[in-house]
Amino acid sequence: KAGVTQTPRYLIKTRGQQVTLSCSPISGHRSVSWYQQTPGQGLQFLFEYFSETQRNKGNFPGRFSGRQFSNSRSEMNVSTLELGDSALYLCASSLARGGGIQETQYFGPGTRLLVL
Amino acid sequence: AQKVTQAQTEISVVEKEDVTLDCVYETRDTTYYLFWYKQPPSGELVFLIRRNSFDEQNEISGRYSWNFQKSTSSFNFTITASQVVDSAVYFCALSEVIIQGAQKLVFGQGTRLTINP
Repeated sequence: KAGVTQTPRYLIKTRGQQVTLSCSPISGHRSVSWYQQTPGQGLQFLFEYFSETQRNKGNFPGRFSGRQFSNSRSEMNVSTLELGDSALYLCASSLARGGGIQETQYFGPGTRLLVL
Repeated sequence: AQKVTQAQTEISVVEKEDVTLDCVYETRDTTYYLFWYKQPPSGELVFLIRRNSFDEQNEISGRYSWNFQKSTSSFNFTITASQVVDSAVYFCALSEVIIQGAQKLVFGQGTRLTINP
């Protein structure tokens, strides 16, 4: 089975621009989560999508948004980029079978975003 | 709020030494899951193990072993006979249940492990 894929792998943007990152989950996985990794803050949860619905969002400003499509693929968007948005953005997918089971999240290679 | 603490920021050992990475967590949930991930320089987080709060059995997988102790809220990871390829940043994570079925991983700050030849 193919793993989680993310595109693009690297991105350079300037302040004020907006960016869209894409994530394709493992086949059959219905939940997609996004995390931001920075040297200062570490790994932080952005949001999680399941069946095209955002189930939870982390403590990030409204400039960060996302969506999930019917095939479970997900995109996240950051508008009005700031220097502090430079980070590794990781996407993870899981089976999400429910029933109170916490599934393993499998991560993609990430998108490295540099904001100049 | 849930919290994961990895007190060891960096560890450096010589190849073939055993090394233990510490992880201490805080949660009010009675049911929770703990994870370890490895992050090599490429950046991808590689899943190593998942453990639920009802299973306190220690686990061994090759040179890797995990010690889960609810009494001390710890989930430590030991690499036996370390190899240069084990060099990476290792993260301990706690799964927080937001609503039924939803997931959110709370990560520790990570431990950078360097294995020197």
